Amino acid sequence: DIQMTQSPSSLSASVGDRVTITCRASQTINNYLNWYQQKPGKAPKLLIYSASNLQSGVPSRFSGSGSGTDFSLTISSLQPEDAATYYCQESDITPWTFGQGTRVEVK
Amino acid sequence: QVQLQESGPGLVKPSETLSLTCSVSGYSISRGYYWGWIRQTPGMGLEWIGSIYYSGSTYYNPSLKSRVTLSVDTSKNLFSLNLTSVTASDTAVYFCARVVVGAQRTFDYWGQGALVTVSS
Repeated sequence: DIQMTQSPSSLSASVGDRVTITCRASQTINNYLNWYQQKPGKAPKLLIYSASNLQSGVPSRFSGSGSGTDFSLTISSLQPEDAATYYCQESDITPWTFGQGTRVEVK
Repeated sequence: QVQLQESGPGLVKPSETLSLTCSVSGYSISRGYYWGWIRQTPGMGLEWIGSIYYSGSTYYNPSLKSRVTLSVDTSKNLFSLNLTSVTASDTAVYFCARVVVGAQRTFDYWGQGALVTVSS
């Protein structure tokens, strides 16, 4: 199985800050890398697919980049409603696997 | 608007079979897409269980393959999960989701999740 490692495991930032979360795969995954946002008691919500494509309806302050084994999710201007846990997920090779999550707190 | 809803017992005894159903509305399963199950635990995080096509073709996580069966009922527009010989480690929130394959491989629509506790 491909191991997905996210960093940091948690962060705290202020409204308006630029926030970046990184995700490293244990092997090259051909840009089949997705990002999800999960709020407490809710299902994960797809934000970014194929490393850099914004899912329909997702605010443009979210963006994704990277290739090979190293990827990142950036929130350009953090908003209060962005408080959540963010997960990366590879979909290159089954079994598809998820990172352990990054909890984002908004000060 | 595609909507998914999990249903099934919230409590299952050890060694018994966990059975969940995912009802889909706003989209006909038989039009295409794979349909999948993912579970979430505090310890293991998010774990893909398996996916099924409307024709019945399946993919399973090797770690669970010996205990998992997915099925689909296109007449009722739902798909189901059976997990046998459960233990406390199978206690989790179980999500169903629509699976996009091809150029975009994602889980794009999710159910709200169903908490299943394995306990005697």
